[in-house]
Amino acid sequence: AQKVTQAQTEISVVEKEDVTLDCVYETRDTTYYLFWYKQPPSGELVFLIRRNSFDEQNEISGRYSWNFQKSTSSFNFTITASQVVDSAVYFCALSGPYNFNKFYFGSGTKLNVKP
Amino acid sequence: DTAVSQTPKYLVTQMGNDKSIKCEQNLGHDTMYWYKQDSKKFLKIMFSYNNKELIINETVPNRFSPKSPDKAHLNLHINSLELGDSAVYFCASSNGISGSYNEQFFGPGTRLTVL
Repeated sequence: AQKVTQAQTEISVVEKEDVTLDCVYETRDTTYYLFWYKQPPSGELVFLIRRNSFDEQNEISGRYSWNFQKSTSSFNFTITASQVVDSAVYFCALSGPYNFNKFYFGSGTKLNVKP
Repeated sequence: DTAVSQTPKYLVTQMGNDKSIKCEQNLGHDTMYWYKQDSKKFLKIMFSYNNKELIINETVPNRFSPKSPDKAHLNLHINSLELGDSAVYFCASSNGISGSYNEQFFGPGTRLTVL
């Protein structure tokens, strides 16, 4: 069965601190996709990144970076030098392989960045 | 330009009423979805249509009926509303069912409150 676990319910940091959001997934499949979404206080869901199971390269986009490790079934998200605008709920999701359209979302991690 | 739009943004209604939420996407995608986000922020897929054909139908009460008049629109009709239907409903769209570039883009959400 497909499952995504985000064990950190809520994290609070002070601006400029680095923070890592954990995502652990379960699947018996060798082909799958992983995603991160951001939900700011305004409520919309914003797509951040997609990674397929065959690409274990880490990715960096500005202050955001993602570490994909198949050996530990983890796809962690790090924000460097956090800012108040990073305050949001972050969701990790898994899809595939028989139905790539069906996303399994984690329960989300609420990040509070204080000035 | 809004990519995925939903109307209305807020919906307050009495128990027992029937209501509809509309969704439109201008991304040229061929697959659309409805999700329910409960008060604990948990996101769960309800339905998905690909080119007007139902491809995902999760365990949802049959009071919920999706309708897709064309691939750019997916509406959600809810009969005999119950208190437990209170939630935020998100529409989303994606391109293709093969798995490639299948990230989903979400609408702003419709907050439904049943009194």
